Amino acid sequence: AQSVTQPDIHITVSEGASLELRCNYSYGATPYLFWYVQSPGQGLQLLLKYFSGDTLVQGIKGFEAEFKRSQSSFNLRKPSVHWSDAAEYFCAVGAFSGGFKTIFGAGTRLFVKA
Amino acid sequence: ETGVTQTPRHLVMGMTNKKSLKCEQHLGHNAMYWYKQSAKKPLELMFVYSLEERVENNSVPSRFSPECPNSSHLFLHLHTLQPEDSALYLCASSPTPGVNTEAFFGQGTRLTVV
Repeated sequence: AQSVTQPDIHITVSEGASLELRCNYSYGATPYLFWYVQSPGQGLQLLLKYFSGDTLVQGIKGFEAEFKRSQSSFNLRKPSVHWSDAAEYFCAVGAFSGGFKTIFGAGTRLFVKA
Repeated sequence: ETGVTQTPRHLVMGMTNKKSLKCEQHLGHNAMYWYKQSAKKPLELMFVYSLEERVENNSVPSRFSPECPNSSHLFLHLHTLQPEDSALYLCASSPTPGVNTEAFFGQGTRLTVV
């Protein structure tokens, strides 16, 4: 069965430090992968997506993610975190299994300390 | 402004009440979705509509009744809800209902069932 695992429920980083949020997926075919961000009281906003081609994907707000098929991972990175990046981050996989499904991970809450 | 508007933003209702959530998208998309976001649980897809036709119903209890009168509007009618139905209900739209398409989310309706 398809699934998405985000191992870290929450992460705290200092402003200016680098960030990596982990995501592992389970899917038999080539996945369509997404990272979304949700600020408090808001809906989800797409940061980036991977469908095919270059395995390093650039997104908005300085984020990037790397698809590693051998590890079934799609980790999100940012070289220098800003206080405004504090939010919840969701990894998702688009899959077709008896119908269209987008499966979301449980999310990782990012806290940024000054 | 994401182009997807949900009303109301907050709703408190008793278990015997009947209420409706409204979603409107101004993006010209053909697919619309209802998601349920509960604390500490992954985002759950409830319903998918494509060109006003329901194409996905993920075993949602009948006390939730969706309606899509046209491609721009989506409703979720609620009746005889339970306290465990308290959650953030998110509406989303996408150009098509495919697995490789980005979803645009509204800000959600925070529902509390008392």
